[in-house]
Amino acid sequence: DSGVTQTPKHLITATGQRVTLRCSPRSGDLSVYWYQQSLDQGLQFLIQYYNGEERAKGNILERFSAQQFPDLHSELNLSSLELGDSALYFCASSIQDTSTGELFFGEGSRLTVL
Amino acid sequence: EDQVTQSPEALRLQEGESSSLNCSYTVSGLRGLFWYRQDPGKGPEFLFTLYSAGEEKEKERLKATLTKKESFLHITAPKPEDSATYLCAVLGSNDYKLSFGAGTTVTVRA
Repeated sequence: DSGVTQTPKHLITATGQRVTLRCSPRSGDLSVYWYQQSLDQGLQFLIQYYNGEERAKGNILERFSAQQFPDLHSELNLSSLELGDSALYFCASSIQDTSTGELFFGEGSRLTVL
Repeated sequence: EDQVTQSPEALRLQEGESSSLNCSYTVSGLRGLFWYRQDPGKGPEFLFTLYSAGEEKEKERLKATLTKKESFLHITAPKPEDSATYLCAVLGSNDYKLSFGAGTTVTVRA
């Protein structure tokens, strides 16, 4: 158990809909990272927050947004969903703002868009 | 942009049959190279960090090595519980994010 909690574990929705994925980092970790994993793309970095502020942005679509709340949990919002958004979405956390590379990953949220 | 290429894509081994996985990388100013293990339906689990060429790290039957252009993950006398996808990632000097390779899926048969 990494200590990172993600909900929901599975989500099935239709094209055009909006969903919210939630992540609680390990106790004491200030950084939260979101990654997308699909069969053809591997693990792709989306965005990082450190202590409530956006720290780094990767290949995150404009239809996606995220935030980190004062209690350090984070939410990833995906809107106007398309079939290609079907993937595993992982949250990871670390104690520092600049990644040391040692990230603790949750078990992921599997999104299926029909 | 950082690039990480892992080979082979898949590796099937007999229990006890040692082998190596390769991770080739291109990065501007390597700050670190990382190996993760991912079991089906789970998130990646951190294994090793390597910082400079010549460095080696070991954990049970796994040994990671690093050169200026690639890293190897050696699996010695593997057991079925070593079956997993092994991911390599790099962090460059100007990066806040890890760049991951596509992974090598290892299957060890008893």
